[in-house]
Amino acid sequence: IQMTQSPSSLSASVGDRVTITCRASQGIGNDLAWYQQKPGKVPHLLIYGASALQSGVPSRFSGSGSGTDFTLTIRSLQPEDVATYYCQKYNRVPWTFGPGTKVEIK
Amino acid sequence: EVQLVQSGTEVKKPGESLKISCKALGYTFTDSWIGWVRQVPGKGLEWMGVFFPGDSDTRYSPSFQGQVIISANKSITTAYLQWGSLKASDSAIYYCVKSGPDGWTNAFDVWGQGTTVTVSS
Repeated sequence: IQMTQSPSSLSASVGDRVTITCRASQGIGNDLAWYQQKPGKVPHLLIYGASALQSGVPSRFSGSGSGTDFTLTIRSLQPEDVATYYCQKYNRVPWTFGPGTKVEIK
Repeated sequence: EVQLVQSGTEVKKPGESLKISCKALGYTFTDSWIGWVRQVPGKGLEWMGVFFPGDSDTRYSPSFQGQVIISANKSITTAYLQWGSLKASDSAIYYCVKSGPDGWTNAFDVWGQGTTVTVSS
């Protein structure tokens, strides 16, 4: 199963609503996670089960979707959200990551 | 506090062997998958494989099968990633990861600090 993300990069203004899409080449149910990796830092988990917010993650982040199409939304982009965002499927081995979406501030 | 503490930076020559480690703290080691993710500087995340200490079940990405060995010693709650013969293309940051946040979710809820491996003649 291949994972794709779009766009590969985006630039948005502080306060904007940002949407990142992840697509699986075959259905994966809800077995999808989203990670954030800030420049030079270790990745960390934002969303699991396609829509469950990991403890400690700000509520402006949300996830949706099931099957093959998934979305990560940042409700109001903040400067500290500059990062690369990765989706990952974990229904069956291999637990493949998407290629990443780089988010910058305009 | 749940933590994964990885071994330090390695600089090796092509053809040398290497085993890096990841000490798990603060959770029941045998209840979660523990695995490894590779990141070449400037590139994305690559899932390498996982090990379940409860029954020693090991799963590899096809891209890494036969290239590395993932193992663990549950008596000291430590996971390992090893190479028999390193190549320059193995130069990367390697992250140790734990599955979670609950027993039926295989997202990676805890990440180690990363181990940088440089392979150069």
